[in-house]
Amino acid sequence: DQQVKQNSPSLSVQEGRISILNCDYTNSMFDYFLWYKKYPAEGPTFLISISSIKDKNEDGRFTVFLNKSAKHLSLHIVPSQPGDSAVYFCAASAGSGNTPLVFGKGTRLSVIA
Amino acid sequence: DTEVTQTPKHLVMGMTNKKSLKCEQHMGHRAMYWYKQKAKKPPELMFVYSYEKLSINESVPSRFSPECPNSSLLNLHLHALQPEDSALYLCASSQVLEGSEQFFGPGTRLTVL
Repeated sequence: DQQVKQNSPSLSVQEGRISILNCDYTNSMFDYFLWYKKYPAEGPTFLISISSIKDKNEDGRFTVFLNKSAKHLSLHIVPSQPGDSAVYFCAASAGSGNTPLVFGKGTRLSVIA
Repeated sequence: DTEVTQTPKHLVMGMTNKKSLKCEQHMGHRAMYWYKQKAKKPPELMFVYSYEKLSINESVPSRFSPECPNSSLLNLHLHALQPEDSALYLCASSQVLEGSEQFFGPGTRLTVL
């Protein structure tokens, strides 16, 4: 039973355009959502997070939107840059900070120059 | 210092060997984690330590033995592994606070022959 789903395994976007990565979840107990970026042979790097009490969080080129009623969140990257090409994992947690993260399967983003 | 370090970077071992993976952080985080990641899959949680005590063991086989000697160090002792245990082993740390993001190390690429 997959609690965090990223239904698009890959996405290609032209440089300078917007990249939108989607994530759905099923567990209504999740109250924090995070996006990680991962390059090959490296550990995931934290990008941005959002609490369930918010519907939007912005950090530079990255914005995460949360729709609690739809149990859906999305990561917007604008403008997309070739260096953004990586695998993006959506993750969710419930409760205190040492609660394990539940990861989606990831979406491979390719930004084409 | 906002880094989680892991050694070794690569490890090749036979099925009868005993080896250890090491992880270190100096961010004052009191929660530390071991994840296992196979190719093209999301990280899978193995163990969680909270205040140097094992709080979660995700039904990991006993051939993997974690150890947290102090608040900055986390080890994973390996013995009698199988070829299917070959994977990227990721260490992460976080504060024990609600919504704290986990910081990941670069991982150890383990190959079991």
